[in-house]
Amino acid sequence: AQSVTQLGSHVSVSEGALVLLRCNYSSSVPPYLFWYVQYPNQGLQLLLKYTSAATLVKGINGFEAEFKKSETSFHLTKPSAHMSDAAEYFCAVSTDSSYKLIFGSGTRLLVRP
Amino acid sequence: ETGVTQTPRHLVMGMTNKKSLKCEQHLGHNAMYWYKQSAKKPLELMFVYNFKEQTENNSVPSRFSPECPNSSHLFLHLHTLQPEDSALYLCASSQELTRGSYEQYFGPGTRLTVT
Repeated sequence: AQSVTQLGSHVSVSEGALVLLRCNYSSSVPPYLFWYVQYPNQGLQLLLKYTSAATLVKGINGFEAEFKKSETSFHLTKPSAHMSDAAEYFCAVSTDSSYKLIFGSGTRLLVRP
Repeated sequence: ETGVTQTPRHLVMGMTNKKSLKCEQHLGHNAMYWYKQSAKKPLELMFVYNFKEQTENNSVPSRFSPECPNSSHLFLHLHTLQPEDSALYLCASSQELTRGSYEQYFGPGTRLTVT
């Protein structure tokens, strides 16, 4: 079975600072990994996904994530936070043997002016 | 309309009412999902349909009844709900269920309050 752990339910950064949201996964077979963002009163929007083509994945809004198999991690980063990045971020895993997306519990990003 | 739409966006209902949530996807996908998102809990997968056939019922109480008349439409019929059923109900779609790499596209959700 697959699982996802997101360290830190809340992360606070200053505007212009580096954003780092942590995600560790567990999977006995090669995983597909996703980051989704949820703005208030909205559904989830895909930021980026890893499907084994390249370990460094670039997504929308300047976000990127690096797949590190040795660390079973898929952390999300952005060099410079913007106020509009304030939202909740979800990491998720799936595999070809189980199409289901398994979500982490989410990390709420707060951006201070 | 583009993407995944859900109606209504907000719903308040009493415990004895019957109501339905509607989801429509305009992406040509063949798989559709219902999720429940409660405060302080991870997203819970409720039901999955693939080519109109239900493939997953994640031990959901019978007061929730899904319906998928075609690959573009998904309904969630609600009756005799409990206050703990208050949550954001999200619909999603994906190309199909054969590969885990197919991402899911989500609607904006229906905020349900049971009084």
